[in-house]
Parts: sequence; structure tokens; C-alpha cells
Amino acid sequence: AIWVTQSPPLLSASPGDRVTISCRMSQGISSYLAWYQQKPGKAPELLIYAASTLQGGVPSRFSGSGSGTDFTLTISRLQSEDFATYYCQQYYSLPPTFGQGTQVEIK
Amino acid sequence: QVQLVESGGDLVKPGGSLRLSCEAAGFTFSDYYMSWIRQAPGKGLEWLSYISSAGSIMYYADSVKGRFTISRDNAKNSLYLQMNSLRAEDTAVYYCARDAMATKEFFDYWGQGTLVTVSS
Repeated sequence: AIWVTQSPPLLSASPGDRVTISCRMSQGISSYLAWYQQKPGKAPELLIYAASTLQGGVPSRFSGSGSGTDFTLTISRLQSEDFATYYCQQYYSLPPTFGQGTQVEIK
Repeated sequence: QVQLVESGGDLVKPGGSLRLSCEAAGFTFSDYYMSWIRQAPGKGLEWLSYISSAGSIMYYADSVKGRFTISRDNAKNSLYLQMNSLRAEDTAVYYCARDAMATKEFFDYWGQGTLVTVSS
């Protein structure tokens, strides 16, 4: 299985901040990477797939980049509704595997 | 709109069995691969299994292989997970999710989840 290392586990930020979350794969996955947002008590929601393609309805302040083994999720200007936990997930090979999550909390 | 509604979660003793269901609406269920994913309390996400659109191909995570069985009934727009030989570490919220693209296991719609607790 491909190991996914996500960092940081906890990120404290203020509304309006630019934040970056990273994921590193144990082997190259081309661009087969998705990002999800999960709020407490809710199911995850797809934000980005193919490393940089925004899912329909997702605000443009979210962006993804990277290929191979290193990937980044950026939120350009953090809004109150963005405080949540974010997960990356590779789908290059079975089984699909998730990062450990990054909780974005209010500073 | 796309809706996925899980049911069947319960408190079960170690070694016991449980069958989860997921009812789909708002899309052509028979066109999509479907998956089960779980989340232990306070933990991250773990993909468990997928089934092809026709139900002929299944794949399992090593952690559940031989104990869990995925199935579907396209006439009933329903997905199932039969869970046997349950262990304490199977305690989690179980989500059904739609695979966004066939053979590309990322997930564009998720159910609200159903809680399975394995405890004596």
C-alpha cells in the first residue's frame, strides 16, 4: 500500500490567512490525488481531485498543486466556514489511502 | 440531488455479525462503482471495499478481507456490507460513498454514516 504522510496535523490560523497543507506519498502517484474537507459530525466532502481540479461548487479560494510524491492544498483567504479537518487521498493504486488529516483551528 | 443513506449500525459483541445498508437516490446507481469507508472515533479515514457497477468486481482492504463482504442490488438502488467476526477495532462510523469515476477510487458523494460499536 502507498503510505500518505500529511502535515501539519494541527494548524492554527486566523480568518483571512493563507494556509497550506502538505501531503507526501511513499511512491509516485502522478496526479491521482484528492482532497476532502470534514466538519465535526459530518461526512467528508470532496474539494479537489486530480491534484488540482476543483470539484463543482467549491470556492476558488481552494487550490491544489503537485505531482509525483509531493502535493499541497492552499486556502488563499481563510473564512470562518473553512475551519475543519482536511484529508488527502491517493487513488493511484489499490487500496486507496488517506493522509492522517490536518485540523485547521481558529487561532 | 444525490443522496446516500446508511443504516444498520448497532452495538454488537465481539465475534458477532452485522449488515449495513446504503440506499441511493438522485443518480443512476447502476452506473457507478461504490465503496465503504470507515472512521474510528477521533481517527482518520480508512477505505474498506469497493464493488463495480454491475457487482462483478470487488476489492477489500487487508484489514477486512475474509470477514466483510460487499454487495449491491441495482434493482433496489442499494449497497450492502456484511460484517462478520467483528472486533473491537471495527468500532467506527461507516460511510458509503460513490466512486466518482469507474476504477478511479476517489469519492464525490458520501452518506451521513452509521455507527458500529463492537463491545462486550
